[in-house]
Amino acid sequence: GNSVTQMEGPVTLSEEAFLTINCTYTATGYPSLFWYVQYPGEGLQLLLKATKADDKGSNKGFEATYRKETTSFHLEKGSVQVSDSAVYFCALSDTGGSQGNLIFGKGTKLSVKP
Amino acid sequence: NAGVMQNPRHLVRRRGQEARLRCSPVKGHSHVYWYRQLPEEGLKFMVYLQKENIIDESGMPKERFSAEFPKEGPSILRIQQVVRGDSAAYFCASSLGKGTYEQYFGPGTRLTVT
Repeated sequence: GNSVTQMEGPVTLSEEAFLTINCTYTATGYPSLFWYVQYPGEGLQLLLKATKADDKGSNKGFEATYRKETTSFHLEKGSVQVSDSAVYFCALSDTGGSQGNLIFGKGTKLSVKP
Repeated sequence: NAGVMQNPRHLVRRRGQEARLRCSPVKGHSHVYWYRQLPEEGLKFMVYLQKENIIDESGMPKERFSAEFPKEGPSILRIQQVVRGDSAAYFCASSLGKGTYEQYFGPGTRLTVT
């Protein structure tokens, strides 16, 4: 079945450091790919998405490119801020079920120190 | 401009009691998804509903769990005879449609079974 694997955390960075969180997926068909962010005590917020191969999603300085050849959707940001501290989830839309429910990775906790 | 509302935010139940979790989707959204997040895990899909219909319940345990989304009122996730393993955060998401439509998440209900 479809699945998402993302790098284990926690990840601790200093402010203004470069961020990469790896995400790879297994899927039949052509899923859409998403990154969600969860701040402490809150629900998930969509950060960015890509719906087809080679699409680049971007938002708030974060970006990720849908790579079909490597089945990856790595999240990157050039210069992180303390306010970026959160848990980041990679997800794909489940084409198998064709209902649009999302399949999530386990999440990567990011802590940014001043 | 209310987003997805969930209540209660925190719920404590003793083993054997019933838990009722409520979700009010974004106004105008008729698609609702329920997800469960166990500690240190990503979100797992449970059930997908449209108004008055269960579309996909493949992720929901066959026993003790039920969900509804009536014509009027919020969506309800009901857990009968709760056990300690039901302790988790339960998130509801709503969308305009299935597939690539963005899912908007609520803040979650954190259920603790004692």
